[in-house]
Amino acid sequence: EVQLVESGGGLVQPGRSLRLSCTASGFTLGDRAMSWVRQAPGKGLEWVGFTRSKHYGGTTEYAASVKGRFTISRDEYKDIAYLQMNSLKTEDTAVYYCTSYGSSGWKNFDYWGQGTLVTVSS
Amino acid sequence: QSALTQPRSVSGSPGQSVTISCTGTSSGVGDFNYVSWYQHHPGKAPELMIYDVNKRPSGVPDRFSGSKSGNTASLTISGLQAVDEADYYCCSYADTFTWVFGGGTKLTVL
Repeated sequence: EVQLVESGGGLVQPGRSLRLSCTASGFTLGDRAMSWVRQAPGKGLEWVGFTRSKHYGGTTEYAASVKGRFTISRDEYKDIAYLQMNSLKTEDTAVYYCTSYGSSGWKNFDYWGQGTLVTVSS
Repeated sequence: QSALTQPRSVSGSPGQSVTISCTGTSSGVGDFNYVSWYQHHPGKAPELMIYDVNKRPSGVPDRFSGSKSGNTASLTISGLQAVDEADYYCCSYADTFTWVFGGGTKLTVL
């Protein structure tokens, strides 16, 4: 069974940094493209960023709202994907989900973790 | 404001059909050939219900169907059940490895 698990959320002050982690079971995360998606309290889903697999160069793309502040990276040995969040703002408060694709193809989000809550507040 | 517009809420009685629309309001939604739909029960992980406009992942009941006309995609749920009560989001692959979600629609089963 495929599972994604996020970790690293918590309470952080505005302007500070936080790093989220995403691990997978049932498949090798590093072999697949993956995205981070978030949901702010009372709001809808928002795509945050994407990274291709190492096989395809591991290139990344980000939503305009986080570009320049957030970075997705991978540890290929530990098979972990990270979301490094710098210069955090109160509006970054959200549940962050790691997602990846399955049989539907890389343009879709077949698999989701349960999410990790990030609260940015002084 | 999202480039994909959905109604904020829809409702229906058990056994009825409901349709949720998703209209692309700008050029930033790609060619609209890669529209997916996600069901989200609060507190749980979202679930892919429809992809590539009208394809259903294995395990998703055939009560769920998708379609597209011009710049509007639609999700239809027939034979409504109480378990279908959730938030539904459309999503479009916008281009060059970016995506955009609609604002979400709350489905209430009366």
